[in-house]
Amino acid sequence: GENVEQHPSTLSVQEGDSAVIKCTYSDSASNYFPWYKQELGKRPQLIIDIRSNVGEKKDQRIAVTLNKTAKHFSLHITETQPEDSAVYFCAAGGTYKYIFGTGTRLKVLA
Amino acid sequence: DAMVIQNPRYQVTQFGKPVTLSCSQTLNHNVMYWYQQKSSQAPKLLFHYYDKDFNNEADTPDNFQSRRPNTSFCFLDIRSPGLGDAAMYLCATSRRSGGSYNEQFFGPGTRLTVL
Repeated sequence: GENVEQHPSTLSVQEGDSAVIKCTYSDSASNYFPWYKQELGKRPQLIIDIRSNVGEKKDQRIAVTLNKTAKHFSLHITETQPEDSAVYFCAAGGTYKYIFGTGTRLKVLA
Repeated sequence: DAMVIQNPRYQVTQFGKPVTLSCSQTLNHNVMYWYQQKSSQAPKLLFHYYDKDFNNEADTPDNFQSRRPNTSFCFLDIRSPGLGDAAMYLCATSRRSGGSYNEQFFGPGTRLTVL
């Protein structure tokens, strides 16, 4: 079955710096890769997603890159702000379900 | 304008006492999911419905059951809760059309405590 690895598990950055979170997946049939942000005690919320026919997607300060050959994808957050502090989950999906990565706790230090 | 609603938000039950969690949606999505999320861990898929078709994950304990009486509602039944079942339970929905896969929308979750 699908396995999604996510690194790092924790990440601390200074406000204004960039943050990068990386994920690898095992199932070559996966074709949808969402990223969710979860604040403490709240629901996961989609922040960006990418499909397998695209190599990169950007939305303001957030970007995602996908390397299908290597089976890895990354989240890039630029100009980080304290409100970016949360747990971020990647996921890889093929049909009607997806598997989450183990999560990255991002702390943005003011 | 809540789209995925879960009730109750907090549920306390006793060891072995059956409990039902509910989820409703106003999105008219054809797929509904139940996830279990324990502290500091990723959401773990328990099962999902694609329309009326029930799909159980291989490692979901028999203690967990689900019902989907109509498009809008889905229930999670825990027949005999154990201490290890204390967690946040998240409901999510998505619209599947043909082979296209789409975003899952999550409800706020129900935090279950087992005494």
